[in-house]
Amino acid sequence: DTVLTQSPALAVSLGQRVTISCKASESVSSSSYSYMHWYQQKPGQQPKLLIYHASNLESGVPARFSGSGSGTDFTLTIDPVEADDIATYFCQQSWNDPPWTFGGGTKLELK
Amino acid sequence: QIQLVQSGPELKKPGESVKISCKASGYTFTDYAMHWVKQAPGKGLKWMGWINTYTGKPTYADDFKGRFVFSLEASASTANLQISNLKNEDTATYFCARGESGGDYFDYWGQGVMVTVSS
Repeated sequence: DTVLTQSPALAVSLGQRVTISCKASESVSSSSYSYMHWYQQKPGQQPKLLIYHASNLESGVPARFSGSGSGTDFTLTIDPVEADDIATYFCQQSWNDPPWTFGGGTKLELK
Repeated sequence: QIQLVQSGPELKKPGESVKISCKASGYTFTDYAMHWVKQAPGKGLKWMGWINTYTGKPTYADDFKGRFVFSLEASASTANLQISNLKNEDTATYFCARGESGGDYFDYWGQGVMVTVSS
């Protein structure tokens, strides 16, 4: 199975730029797409899709969210961070065959 | 608008069974697969598998083979998850999530069902 590694927590200040990383145990990219996706989850709520195929912004998601990366290294950037962005962020891969796996999540906290 | 509405919380004893439902609306049910994701308390997300809503064929991740059954009531645009012989480690929130057949990403999620297994 493809293992996705995320830092457990990140402390941020409102208005700053923050990058959340996700490292895959094997490449999850083809010549056409990267099969890496990002979700936001707030306490007591379901996950919400933010970014699909590494860099595509889901409809309705604010433009302060962006994604980048290929191969094994991926990044979710929030610029600038707003109070509503305090949440846990998960990466998820869908490369090749199941099982589809998620990273352990990065909890964004206020400094 | 597209919605996935799941059934309510469940409190069960070890060895019992539970059936969770996920009712879809706002799109053609059979055009997308339904996936199931487990989240234990305070933990991350674990993909359980998916069901082809057109053919009814389920596919299970290895850790969810045996006691877990995905099923459909296609006429009611509803997907179900049944867990038999419940164990304490089944205590979790279970989400349904819409996705492409086979996988990729999950663009709509149900609100989750908390299943508590306790004697």
